[in-house]
Amino acid sequence: NAGVIQTPRHKVTGKGQEATLWCEPISGHSAVFWYRQTIVQGLEFLTYFRNQAPIDDSGMPKERFSAQMPNQSHSTLKIQSTQPQDSAVYLCASSWIQNTLYFGAGTRLSVL
Amino acid sequence: QQKVQQSPESLTVSEGAMASLNCTFSDGTSDNFRWYRQHSGKGLEMLVSIFSDGEKEEGRFTAHLNRASLHVSLHIREPQPSDSAVYLCAVSEATGGNNKLTFGQGTVLSVIP
Repeated sequence: NAGVIQTPRHKVTGKGQEATLWCEPISGHSAVFWYRQTIVQGLEFLTYFRNQAPIDDSGMPKERFSAQMPNQSHSTLKIQSTQPQDSAVYLCASSWIQNTLYFGAGTRLSVL
Repeated sequence: QQKVQQSPESLTVSEGAMASLNCTFSDGTSDNFRWYRQHSGKGLEMLVSIFSDGEKEEGRFTAHLNRASLHVSLHIREPQPSDSAVYLCAVSEATGGNNKLTFGQGTVLSVIP
């Protein structure tokens, strides 16, 4: 079991460019979560899917951020027109329903 | 909205001495309280999860929960230098699934040989 896989590990974009972050949950897990970690705000919930359906996106910035889970083997977080304040570590996690949450190592996004 | 605060911000202990970390939360109706740790550049590793008032032990890690005091603590017995990491307290949302978590800002633990 390779755990939750996030790619790329590091991404550098220019201001105004698009960034797509990729997450492969643990096989068989039915819930996928996205969190964002910054030094100032700490770890913040963004959104989650259950059985590929979006359940709660209350933590997502309403503009420019979107998340999808087109199949049970991957989820993507897309940020359009990236801004310097989007620089953060984006963490993906997966679980069976109501069970232990397993985190990936994260994608560090740097917006120049 | 749940608020989670951790103290101290940083803690240095000698190898083998007990390390104690604290976490307060604003809403005691949450059903699950967890401690994670994060080594530099790595993902989060869950150490212990507690649902009821009292104590829960997982190896060298013991969590104490007191909902009435809105407080959960983590005690690390015989810490090793490899335990040096950021320790994060997380509280689940009372509704909507217990993996939607609110995290504290973390305590940086340094264990010196």
